[in-house]
Amino acid sequence: EDQVTQSPEALRLQEGESSSLNCSYTVSGLRGLFWYRQDPGKGPEFLFTLYSAGEEKEKERLKATLTKKESFLHITAPKPEDSATYLCAVQADSGYALNFGKGTSLLVTP
Amino acid sequence: DTAVSQTPKYLVTQMGNDKSIKCEQNLGHDTMYWYKQDSKKFLKIMFSYNNKELIINETVPNRFSPKSPDKAHLNLHINSLELGDSAVYFCASSLFGVGLAGERNYEQYFGPGTRLTVT
Repeated sequence: EDQVTQSPEALRLQEGESSSLNCSYTVSGLRGLFWYRQDPGKGPEFLFTLYSAGEEKEKERLKATLTKKESFLHITAPKPEDSATYLCAVQADSGYALNFGKGTSLLVTP
Repeated sequence: DTAVSQTPKYLVTQMGNDKSIKCEQNLGHDTMYWYKQDSKKFLKIMFSYNNKELIINETVPNRFSPKSPDKAHLNLHINSLELGDSAVYFCASSLFGVGLAGERNYEQYFGPGTRLTVT
């Protein structure tokens, strides 16, 4: 059975303090690993898809990387507006569903 | 120009009632999904339709019945609502496959959610 574990559950950073969020996964044949951002009261917002180990994607202060067992979401010099819950999900190559982790709640303080 | 929309945004109802949630996407996608997010914020797949055909039906009580009248719409009807059905329900849509230029299209785009409260 596919499993996605995100750590830490919660993270508090000072503005400008870089850090990384972790997503460990087990899946029988990975099609893709997805990162989403979710703000309170809103739907998940798509950030990145990573398809193979070694792949990296960047968007503004965010950079996602992928290995055969885990993915990292690196946040460089975060700002308060980066505060949100970050969700990681995997999709098996045999299926349609996204299997989500429980998310990391990020708070960036000024 | 909302991509994936859901109505209503909030739904408060009593146990035993029947209710529906509607979802529409204007992205031209061929696959649509319903997810449930529980009180602990955990998102779990319920159903998926591809070209109006049911392709995922997870272990969901048969009181939940999805209906896809066309590729742009996926509605969720819930009979005999129970307290445990209280949650946020998200609709999502995606393409599914490799495009003509070789690009992979699997990311799912989510609606704003419907918060269902059963009293």
